[in-house]
Amino acid sequence: EAEVAQSPRYKITEKSQAVAFWCDPISGHATLYWYRQILGQGPELLVQFQDESVVDDSQLPKDRFSAERLKGVDSTLKIQPAELGDSAMYLCASSLEWGGSTGELFFGEGSRLTVL
Amino acid sequence: KQEVTQIPAALSVPEGENLVLNCSFTDSAIYNLQWFRQDPGKGLTSLLLIQSSQREQTSGRLNASLDKSSGRSTLYIAASQPGDSATYLCAVGNNDMRFGAGTRLTVKP
Repeated sequence: EAEVAQSPRYKITEKSQAVAFWCDPISGHATLYWYRQILGQGPELLVQFQDESVVDDSQLPKDRFSAERLKGVDSTLKIQPAELGDSAMYLCASSLEWGGSTGELFFGEGSRLTVL
Repeated sequence: KQEVTQIPAALSVPEGENLVLNCSFTDSAIYNLQWFRQDPGKGLTSLLLIQSSQREQTSGRLNASLDKSSGRSTLYIAASQPGDSATYLCAVGNNDMRFGAGTRLTVKP
């Protein structure tokens, strides 16, 4: 069964260091999302791609976060420098459809970040 | 801005009970509503997707309904089992999906 792949599953870093997360969506899924989930809360959208283009990054803290999806397939989310408040689960999701309807979202297992 | 609320925040039931989880949203102009399950420390698993032209979806012991006019959805779980213990999240939206905080369900043997 096709899955959304994410790595690393766990990352521990010290504040002010750089960290990067990788996501490979389900093959053929044009839309890719990065969400952040703080413990006990629902996921919050950070950035949304349609193919290689960013369609929504309004909630992405652009002073320290960046995201790219250069060839419209896999994606990287980077944080530099990491802060204590960035400790969270970073979830990647993909969907097949666009043009007015998200279609069903499929999530990866997530990357748990701990900033010390 | 879409606000999604899930009630109750936590629920504990004995095995075998039927139960209902609630999701409400403020903006009824949505295309999709999707219910997910999340086990501790894991990603989200899709349970049911209801598109705007639909009113309900069923999968096994799960049934989800959608009333856009009132901004509500319910997830009905029949004959609950300990393996159903997890956090259940609803998400609503159009091209972007907004999540509630979830309901943490515990089913006791």
